[in-house]
Amino acid sequence: NAGVMQNPRHLVRRRGQEARLRCSPMKGHSHVYWYRQLPEEGLKFMVYLQKENIIDESGMPKERFSAEFPKEGPSILRIQQVVRGDSAAYFCASSDPRGDGHTFGSGTRLTVV
Amino acid sequence: AQTVTQSQPEMSVQEAETVTLSCTYDTSESDYYLFWYKQPPSRQMILVIRQEAYKQQNATENRFSVNFQKAAKSFSLKISDSQLGDAAMYFCAYRSAWSNFGNEKLTFGTGTRLTIIP
Repeated sequence: NAGVMQNPRHLVRRRGQEARLRCSPMKGHSHVYWYRQLPEEGLKFMVYLQKENIIDESGMPKERFSAEFPKEGPSILRIQQVVRGDSAAYFCASSDPRGDGHTFGSGTRLTVV
Repeated sequence: AQTVTQSQPEMSVQEAETVTLSCTYDTSESDYYLFWYKQPPSRQMILVIRQEAYKQQNATENRFSVNFQKAAKSFSLKISDSQLGDAAMYFCAYRSAWSNFGNEKLTFGTGTRLTIIP
């Protein structure tokens, strides 16, 4: 079991470009969470998805950010027209419907230059 | 909304000694879960210990134990016999026991950086 896989591990984008972050949950897990960690801060919840459904997006910025978890393939966190303030580590976690807790990926560090 | 506060940005401890990291939280809920996560320089989030609020007994995992004081809304982590590999950021986290559609989202504190002195 490969665990939660996130890629890329590091991503550099120029201001105004788009960033796409991918997350493949653990085998058997159908719930995906995205968190953002700004430098020297804790993780902040962004969005919770199940297959083909966004369940809770209360932590997502209203503009430029979107997330999906299609029937097939990884979950994608998409940031359009990136700005320097988007520079952060983005973590994905997955869980199964029994509620046994999060398993985290290793994160994607996004740097906007 | 729930909040989690870690008032010690940095702590250090001599190798083989004991250290306690503090965490307080605010909630109006009666049932919930509390966690301590370790984040080493690799950035991987590693679950250290978990406490269920309805259990009065403090959780223990080998050298790691908690002091859970529900009335005071306090959840401290004690690390005994500190080892060099314990050096990391430690985050306290809260999760409601009641969820809509299986939502287990976590609320994190700002973390404590633990340094182990050889």
